[in-house]
Amino acid sequence: QVQLVQSGAELKKSGASVKVSCEASGFNFIDYFLHWVRQAPGQGLEWMGWINLNSGDSKYAQSFRGRVTLTLDTSISTAYMELSRLTSDDTATYYCARPWAVSTPVRGMDVWGQGTTVTVAS
Amino acid sequence: QSALTQPASVSGSPGQSITISCTGTSSDVGGYRLVSWYQQHPGKVPKLIIYEGTKRPSGVSDRFSGSKSDNTASLTISGLQAEDEADYYCCSYISTGGLLFGGGTTLTVL
Repeated sequence: QVQLVQSGAELKKSGASVKVSCEASGFNFIDYFLHWVRQAPGQGLEWMGWINLNSGDSKYAQSFRGRVTLTLDTSISTAYMELSRLTSDDTATYYCARPWAVSTPVRGMDVWGQGTTVTVAS
Repeated sequence: QSALTQPASVSGSPGQSITISCTGTSSDVGGYRLVSWYQQHPGKVPKLIIYEGTKRPSGVSDRFSGSKSDNTASLTISGLQAEDEADYYCCSYISTGGLLFGGGTTLTVL
């Protein structure tokens, strides 16, 4: 079935970087975009960016520009989100999510990874 | 860019209807028919319930409906059920490219 499986929980120190993976299965990887969304404890959803799983082109939210990098490895149908210069404010659950429509990122996300908890300790 | 504006909480009794608003600007909600809505139960992954402002994915109850007027999108849930108690988020495409979520609304079924 269609699914996204993310890597496990991470504990990082302030100033470090974290890299989260998102492995896709059950659909043709390169037909889609992939979003990254985070949710701090008790807070709302925050869009971080998207990546075109065919071209590797990406778009980042202004608030994360310069700190987040989205990459992919099409040979293993896996996308990655790396966030640098971590602070305690980056403690959150990070989700990857696939749009329901092929070839466009803007029509709604219907497949979500299980989430990866990143905890940043000072 | 600040989150789209949603009420922090709404409530209703079983069988009633409620509406959750999502207010933005002409550069996001008002400028495009690209608002989606997500339902999130505690400890669970968000679920897409409305896309392109008014459309329901397959399998989503027709008790959920979406609309838009000017810079405000709305989600209406009719015939409230206990299982509808959850957090709801709107999300819009924005003119600078990318997406923007609302702050979220907690629905309590009394």
